[in-house]
Amino acid sequence: GDSVTQMEGPVTLSEEAFLTINCTYTATGYPSLFWYVQYPGEGLQLLLKATKADDKGSNKGFEATYRKETTSFHLEKGSVQVSDSAVYFCALSDRGQAAGNKLTFGGGTRVLVKP
Amino acid sequence: SQTIHQWPATLVQPVGSPLSLECTVEGTSNPNLYWYRQAAGRGLQLLFYSVGIGQISSEVPQNLSASRPQDRQFILSSKKLLLSDSGFYLCAWSFRTGRSSYNSPLHFGNGTRLTVT
Repeated sequence: GDSVTQMEGPVTLSEEAFLTINCTYTATGYPSLFWYVQYPGEGLQLLLKATKADDKGSNKGFEATYRKETTSFHLEKGSVQVSDSAVYFCALSDRGQAAGNKLTFGGGTRVLVKP
Repeated sequence: SQTIHQWPATLVQPVGSPLSLECTVEGTSNPNLYWYRQAAGRGLQLLFYSVGIGQISSEVPQNLSASRPQDRQFILSSKKLLLSDSGFYLCAWSFRTGRSSYNSPLHFGNGTRLTVT
């Protein structure tokens, strides 16, 4: 079956540091890939997505490139802020689904940015 | 614009008591609807999804059930709660776009934190 593996946190950084969160996946078909962010006490918000190989999703200074050859979708940001402290989830959606859009999520990576 | 409402925000229930969590979506028609659970320190597990009124698919066997009595209403229930039902429950919706539905992102509510004591 499909699965998503993320680096375990917590990841602790200083403000303006470079952030990378690794994500790799296994899928039976050709998935779409997503990054979601969860701020404390809230639900998940879509951060960015990519639907085919070599696509780059970007939003709010975050970027991730769909690498089919390495089955990866690593999230990066060049200069983090305290407000980026949150839990980040990598997810995939397999286009072989019969109905709905059932996302498979990774375990989440908690990021803490200190001033 | 579309909005999703989920309530209550927090809930403390004794073991063996019933449960009813409600979720409604506004601003769209015929959405796909989902219930996820996030256990403490763990990722998200899909519990149920629905592609239409009265159509419920269960992803894992468990003590919970779901119903969709109206197009934009999704309810998560239990007749008798277990300690293991504690967690953060998230409702979500997505556009129903046929063959391209796998590209449609999920939009989540703010969640319900359930503690079973």
